[in-house]
Amino acid sequence: EVQLVESGGGLVQPGGSLRLSCAASGFTFSNYWLSWVRQGPGKGLEWVANINQDGSEKYYVDSVKGRFTISRDNAKNSVYLQMNNLRAEDTALYYCARGSGFCWGQGTLVSVSS
Amino acid sequence: DVVMAQSPLSLPVALGQPASISCRSSQSLVHSDGNTYLNWFQQRPGQSPRRLISKASNRDSGVPERFSGSGSGTDFTLKISRVEAEDVGVYYCMQGTHWPWTFGQGTKVEIK
Repeated sequence: EVQLVESGGGLVQPGGSLRLSCAASGFTFSNYWLSWVRQGPGKGLEWVANINQDGSEKYYVDSVKGRFTISRDNAKNSVYLQMNNLRAEDTALYYCARGSGFCWGQGTLVSVSS
Repeated sequence: DVVMAQSPLSLPVALGQPASISCRSSQSLVHSDGNTYLNWFQQRPGQSPRRLISKASNRDSGVPERFSGSGSGTDFTLKISRVEAEDVGVYYCMQGTHWPWTFGQGTKVEIK
């Protein structure tokens, strides 16, 4: 069974940092693009970042460029999102997804507040 | 960035009746490889999104046949032939042709 499990969310002050992780199972991890997508409270979906199979290509939405970094470890079947200089508007449920959304995790909640 | 405009944003439908959601993109979604990367997602209350349709018209495995996707270029449609109670939720279109990938605002489907 294809499964994605996110972790690492929490409450952080503005300007702080968090590192999200997503552990994958049930498929050949190194064959797929991975994505991070977020959903603010009561809001729609926003694609955040993508990474290709070997990590050589990365794409970000403009609002997180320079602050967020996506990475992956194919040996550990995991993808990560390092989030620095967090802002209140980054408060959201963060999902990882395989490719263009074939499957999604349950999400991990990030709250940025003083 | 490519803007995805969905309509309507709210769709009350009686059980057993058809439903249709429109999604229009600000640019053509035909990729240089010839594919059209337009996906449809369903998000039931309290759940993670689920992909229903990829490449505009390809139904994902396990998705009921009452869901169908159509369209090309900049104009796309998701149809539910006969709405069931379990179809309540928010539906999103998403384009994966141009970076950054972008979603529509979402269409809330409810039972009338």
